[in-house]
Amino acid sequence: DVKVTQSSRYLVKRTGEKVFLECVQDMDHENMFWYRQDPGLGLRLIYFSYDVKMKEKGDIPEGYSVSREKKERFSLILESASTNQTSMYLCASSPLIGEAFFGQGTRLTVV
Amino acid sequence: GENVEQHPSTLSVQEGDSAVIKCTYSDSASNYFPWYKQELGKRPQLIIDIRSNVGEKKDQRIAVTLNKTAKHFSLHITETQPEDSAVYFCAASHISGNTGKLIFGQGTTLQVKP
Repeated sequence: DVKVTQSSRYLVKRTGEKVFLECVQDMDHENMFWYRQDPGLGLRLIYFSYDVKMKEKGDIPEGYSVSREKKERFSLILESASTNQTSMYLCASSPLIGEAFFGQGTRLTVV
Repeated sequence: GENVEQHPSTLSVQEGDSAVIKCTYSDSASNYFPWYKQELGKRPQLIIDIRSNVGEKKDQRIAVTLNKTAKHFSLHITETQPEDSAVYFCAASHISGNTGKLIFGQGTTLQVKP
């Protein structure tokens, strides 16, 4: 069974805090993704990584950065959290061609 | 950049009827088109996918069609059941060399009324 695990299910952070969301996959997948899910807006791609230390911006990268030091781990960083970053964050991994598997999601609230 | 448009945003059908969800994509180099189902409170899961060298694919009550010329693809669910109620997402991926960015549509909330 493929497993994509996100470090937290729920997080509450204060405005201005630095926030780390961690994601680990156990299938040796090349691709890893971070999406943000908001009602009516679908799954919007924040960042994408296709190899260790390789990354590409998605549609909404502003206010976020990422790190992929090891193939199995992809971290999303909010340098200075703001209330408009309150959302559900979903991590996914996939082989180069094929099914993407999602983590359980992290619901982040910034107060 | 790549863009995927999905319609309708909500769809309500009677049990036993068919449901159709349509997506269009902007990147003509896209070559992989998966569909995901997300039940309430759960993570999205793949239900069917199609590659650009195929025009249609079927799996029991679910089928997907692809028109590369028009850059659109559709999900067809026949004989709908209440357990088909969920949010459905289409996606498109341009796989080139060692990259495969996956872009999703806005989602369709399907309600199947018993």
